[in-house]
Amino acid sequence: DAKTTQPTSMDCAEGRAANLPCNHSTISGNEYVYWYRQIHSQGPQYIIHGLKNNETNEMASLIITEDRKSSTLILPHATLRDTAVYYCIVRATFGNEKLTFGTGTRLTIIP
Amino acid sequence: NAGVTQTPKFQVLKTGQSMTLQCAQDMNHNSMYWYRQDPGMGLRLIYYSASEGTTDKGEVPNGYNVSRLNKREFSLRLESAAPSQTSVYFCASSPSEQGGETQYFGPGTRLLVL
Repeated sequence: DAKTTQPTSMDCAEGRAANLPCNHSTISGNEYVYWYRQIHSQGPQYIIHGLKNNETNEMASLIITEDRKSSTLILPHATLRDTAVYYCIVRATFGNEKLTFGTGTRLTIIP
Repeated sequence: NAGVTQTPKFQVLKTGQSMTLQCAQDMNHNSMYWYRQDPGMGLRLIYYSASEGTTDKGEVPNGYNVSRLNKREFSLRLESAAPSQTSVYFCASSPSEQGGETQYFGPGTRLLVL
């Protein structure tokens, strides 16, 4: 699976959009971009995933650049409950290899 | 629909003791996984099971054994606990045997080995 690079930490004001970047310059054609988050002491929670088109669901939007070498997770109206560590993961959609969780981005929502 | 459940939530063991961590899912998923997470670090895969009756080693299998009891349940056993196994253990499941899809995680078991 391709390696990802994320900032260590970010702050965002409550009610504003939180934009979390991820670089994955070695991504290959069959690899998807997945985002998970982990709120303190809880199990990781799936947020969204995509291949090359932008995706949106009830939690977030995912913007993938045309060359697929980077992506941005957008939480449109951040709340205090969005404070968590966010993991960007690149992997193929087949095979049972592990999800490779790096250190992620620690997002803190400021009241 | 409870999703993925894990028992116990907390456990304290002495070095050399054994115990089994239980995991169950009610989503009719084929694949199940055990991860560990040490403080300040990401998750590391211990073992996984692509389907009932099959298990495979992950990144850090030493000191652990697993059993896929049936489609719902996947247990993790520590035969002789060591302080290095102090960690938070997460179980996860995903729909198909091929894997690669979204994984759904349980709440975790916090284990302290003295």
